[in-house]
Amino acid sequence: QVQLQESGPGLVKPSQTLSLTCTVSGGSITRGGYYWSWIRQSSGKGLEWIGNIFYSGATYYNPSLKSRVTMSLDTSKNQFFLNLTSVTAADSAVYYCARALGGARPWGQGILVTVSS
Amino acid sequence: DIQMTQSPSSLSASVGDRVTITCRASQGIRNDLGWYQQKPGKAPERLIYAASNLQSGVPSRFSGSGSGTEFTLTISSLQPEDFVTYYCAQHNSYPWTFGQGTKVEIK
Repeated sequence: QVQLQESGPGLVKPSQTLSLTCTVSGGSITRGGYYWSWIRQSSGKGLEWIGNIFYSGATYYNPSLKSRVTMSLDTSKNQFFLNLTSVTAADSAVYYCARALGGARPWGQGILVTVSS
Repeated sequence: DIQMTQSPSSLSASVGDRVTITCRASQGIRNDLGWYQQKPGKAPERLIYAASNLQSGVPSRFSGSGSGTEFTLTISSLQPEDFVTYYCAQHNSYPWTFGQGTKVEIK
């Protein structure tokens, strides 16, 4: 079955760019008409949907983050990516990637990212 | 944005109890709603999709109902592993939004 795994730095300095990778195994990100999502969870704001990317490259971002978010994908590596610029402590959270169609399932295990100098 | 108001935020119950969690959308979302279970330190897992469809592999004691703006998740007989946190989420329109969660605790 499809599995997702997040990777990237666990510590990012304020004002820098948070960059995460989601590696998908057990199925191609170009098949099935799925969206590929990033979702984050912080103690202060609960679960927050960040955005979706379709295999065509079409993207949909949360307006609250839109000016700072870029999602992309590499179909040859079966990976998709999240870049979040100008981070502050408020961006500290567990970041999840997920497959989405009618909701999100499955999810990756999550990666804790802390923004601190 | 569509606001998802989940209630209660926490509840205390005993093994074998029947519990109901409610989620209200700020505008109609048809049946574009899922229920998720999150165990400590783990990612959420979907229990119910399209408001009332049980995800494969999920025990039949879980059920969902509702359409439009009012939705419920019912656990017919609480088991020890069910004392965790539950979330609703809508995917009817962007941005997708989540309820604030319901923590089910042992009485």
